Amino acid sequence: GAVVSQHPSRVICKSGTSVKIECRSLDFQATTMFWYRQFPKQSLMLMATSNEGSKATYEQGVEKDKFLINHASLTLSTLTVTSAHPEDSSFYICSATLGLANEQFFGPGTRLTVL
Amino acid sequence: AQTVTQSQPEMSVQEAETVTLSCTYDTSESDYYLFWYKQPPSRQMILVIRQEAYKQQNATENRFSVNFQKAAKSFSLKISDSQLGDAAMYFCAYCDGGSNYKLTFGKGTLLTVNP
Repeated sequence: GAVVSQHPSRVICKSGTSVKIECRSLDFQATTMFWYRQFPKQSLMLMATSNEGSKATYEQGVEKDKFLINHASLTLSTLTVTSAHPEDSSFYICSATLGLANEQFFGPGTRLTVL
Repeated sequence: AQTVTQSQPEMSVQEAETVTLSCTYDTSESDYYLFWYKQPPSRQMILVIRQEAYKQQNATENRFSVNFQKAAKSFSLKISDSQLGDAAMYFCAYCDGGSNYKLTFGKGTLLTVNP
């Protein structure tokens, strides 16, 4: 139980295009979902917290217009990287929580490469 | 703001031996959770063990156990009978006990297991 999927696992795009990453909780309804960014050999950096039906809460320094988050249902959140640039290349990870013991369940991640 | 410190960027252990990974944290809260996550080369985040701050007893999960020292704000992970599959990046994480659910991660410790 408590499986989180992400799609796609890898994406390569041209500079200036937009890319959408989906995060789904497969066997539970998530009260809250989170989006992280991870650079090589570094820790996870929280980008935003997402609740179904409400606007995402972004961490300081994260551009809201660059990283659009939509939480359409209790099982789906999407991250859209708009007008992507090479510096947006990174590993993006989502997670979801049931709200029990504050545990988060993580997706497998999406590697974004912007050429 | 809460902070999590992992002072060992890298550790190594011989197969079948025991290794301890250190973690300290800073918080003014009395109700919180602590976690150890493992990130193998696949980059899938896997929960290793969880500790509720109100519990005095140290959590254990098979070969994994923690030494939780609340007054010292210390939360170390002990891996017994190390296996090659234990090789990974290990992250210590903190979460407030409320409904925030946000995780604060340490910078991680890269564990190498030598055959």
